Amino acid sequence: EPEVTQTPSHQVTQMGQEVILRCVPISNHLYFYWYRQILGQKVEFLVSFYNNEISEKSEIFDDQFSVERPDGSNFTLKIRSTKLEDSAMYFCASRIDPNYGYTFGSGTRLTVV
Amino acid sequence: GNSVTQMEGPVTLSEEAFLTINCTYTATGYPSLFWYVQYPGEGLQLLLKATKADDKGSNKGFEATYRKETTSFHLEKGSVQVSDSAVYFCALSDHSGYALNFGKGTSLLVTP
Repeated sequence: EPEVTQTPSHQVTQMGQEVILRCVPISNHLYFYWYRQILGQKVEFLVSFYNNEISEKSEIFDDQFSVERPDGSNFTLKIRSTKLEDSAMYFCASRIDPNYGYTFGSGTRLTVV
Repeated sequence: GNSVTQMEGPVTLSEEAFLTINCTYTATGYPSLFWYVQYPGEGLQLLLKATKADDKGSNKGFEATYRKETTSFHLEKGSVQVSDSAVYFCALSDHSGYALNFGKGTSLLVTP
């Protein structure tokens, strides 16, 4: 069964550093998403991406965040200057069409120290 | 705004016990409702869904009925197995945004 692949599974970074989280969505999917879950809290929507542009973003997704699809297979989330409160599990997801279900990756646990 | 409230976990049950995980929601209009499951070390997987009032979603022995009058979508299973141990997330999506609103998740541990 096709999977959404996220790397790395765990990343530790120093506060103020830039971090890039990587995702390989399912190859024929057209809609891409990032969600995050701070420990003990809800899974929160960050951003959706379609046709090489952001289609929707939440209040969390401020100027420190950016997304990119640099080639035909990767979908990345960049945090420019990490803060302690960015520590969370970040989930990538994709789907072929908004009427179909999401396929989620297994997540990247980001720890900012 | 939209929101989902789930019962607090962890929930610990013996094998073959009956499971209920409560979920209530607040939304404008008529959202779609979902249950996702996360097994240890894996991603979120769709367990079941319902798109309109009185719909019942079912999968792998789990069921949930979309109750508009009580704004609820409780997850049930008649006889749990050890392999059902996981974290369960209730979620909703309104049709304007398609983004999912999740609950906090409920951890289930089933013991032999």
